[in-house]
Amino acid sequence: DAGVIQSPRHEVTEMGQEVTLRCKPISGHNSLFWYRQTMMRGLELLIYFNNNVPIDDSGMPEDRFSAKMPNASFSTLKIQPSEPRDSAVYFCASRGQANQPQHFGDGTRLSIL
Amino acid sequence: AQSVAQPEDQVNVAEGNPLTVKCTYSVSGNPYLFWYVQYPNRGLQFLLKYITGDNLVKGSYGFEAEFNKSQTSFHLKKPSALVSDSALYFCAVRDIRTDTGKLIFGQGTTLQVKP
Repeated sequence: DAGVIQSPRHEVTEMGQEVTLRCKPISGHNSLFWYRQTMMRGLELLIYFNNNVPIDDSGMPEDRFSAKMPNASFSTLKIQPSEPRDSAVYFCASRGQANQPQHFGDGTRLSIL
Repeated sequence: AQSVAQPEDQVNVAEGNPLTVKCTYSVSGNPYLFWYVQYPNRGLQFLLKYITGDNLVKGSYGFEAEFNKSQTSFHLKKPSALVSDSALYFCAVRDIRTDTGKLIFGQGTTLQVKP
């Protein structure tokens, strides 16, 4: 039973470049969440989708960040242009029924030089 | 406003001793409560949840948690700690009355179990 799959696992790029993070949720799950984790700020919810529709994007830091979910099995988080302060581990999680737990991927460790 | 507090940044315990990782919450309605564990370079893994019913909830790896409504607490416990339990633990809450679908996470507690 495959869990949440994120790619790439690591990304190192120079500031100003576009970064795209990818997530494949667990099949049958209808909610998807993007989080960012840093030592300073802990775990922050960026955006979440329900049935492929963005429900709450209040955690998205600024217009440089965007997220899409074109279908039930794929989501992207894009940063353009990237800045060194975007360096963090980005997690994707998915969930089925409302009272069920979220299941997390192993994250993308992003370093912006 | 919804919030979760984990008052200890780190908990140290000797192997074989009981452990407790504390969590208190604030919601306007009835809570769904969760505990997650995170090992290095991995995502968060679900340990256990409280939705309704028995206040003592049993979960994975021998962990359990007790829901205390009057104290608004949901402390994680284990009778006998293992070195392999060393990890980062997160408590999370969801307010089902004003349900927005989001989980509110605490800041995390590092558990260090020494041999």
